[in-house]
Amino acid sequence: AQKVTQAQTEISVVEKEDVTLDCVYETRDTTYYLFWYKQPPSGELVFLIRRNSFDEQNEISGRYSWNFQKSTSSFNFTITASQVVDSAVYFCALPGQGAQKLVFGQGTRLTINP
Amino acid sequence: DTAVSQTPKYLVTQMGNDKSIKCEQNLGHDTMYWYKQDSKKFLKIMFSYNNKELIINETVPNRFSPKSPDKAHLNLHINSLELGDSAVYFCASRGTGTQAYEQYFGPGTRLTVT
Repeated sequence: AQKVTQAQTEISVVEKEDVTLDCVYETRDTTYYLFWYKQPPSGELVFLIRRNSFDEQNEISGRYSWNFQKSTSSFNFTITASQVVDSAVYFCALPGQGAQKLVFGQGTRLTINP
Repeated sequence: DTAVSQTPKYLVTQMGNDKSIKCEQNLGHDTMYWYKQDSKKFLKIMFSYNNKELIINETVPNRFSPKSPDKAHLNLHINSLELGDSAVYFCASRGTGTQAYEQYFGPGTRLTVT
């Protein structure tokens, strides 16, 4: 069955530091998607990125970048020059079997201190 | 324009009561979901509907009954509320075409059972 592991429960850094959130996944599917969501203190779930398994190019969006490595089943998320507004819980996810649901990791609580 | 909306945002009630949470999406999606987020932030699928038909029921107690009057609405009714039902409930809908597999979440309903 699909499984997502975010081993880092909590991370705390000082503003402007770079920080990487780890995500390791298990799937039997040969092609699949991977996702990151952000949950700020206000509570909503914000979609950040979707990644296809057949495209291993790294993706960059402003201060955010994602490193997908199929060989190690990892899809890590890096925030460069972190800001206080980046403080949130971040979730990695992939579709469950049949792609009818999302299976989420446990989440990583990121705190950026001024 | 709110894509996925839920009402109410907060719900405080006593054990044994019956309550409903409403969800509406204006994205034209066919598939909608209910997820439960517990106090440890763990997100888990409860139900999924595709075009008004139930396709996923993840061993949720039968006190929980989803109802989809049309494909834009998915409501959640909970009978005989228990303390353990306290959680945040998220409604979501799933994209199609180039946004297939992406799920868009409502703002969540924080249910507190006393």
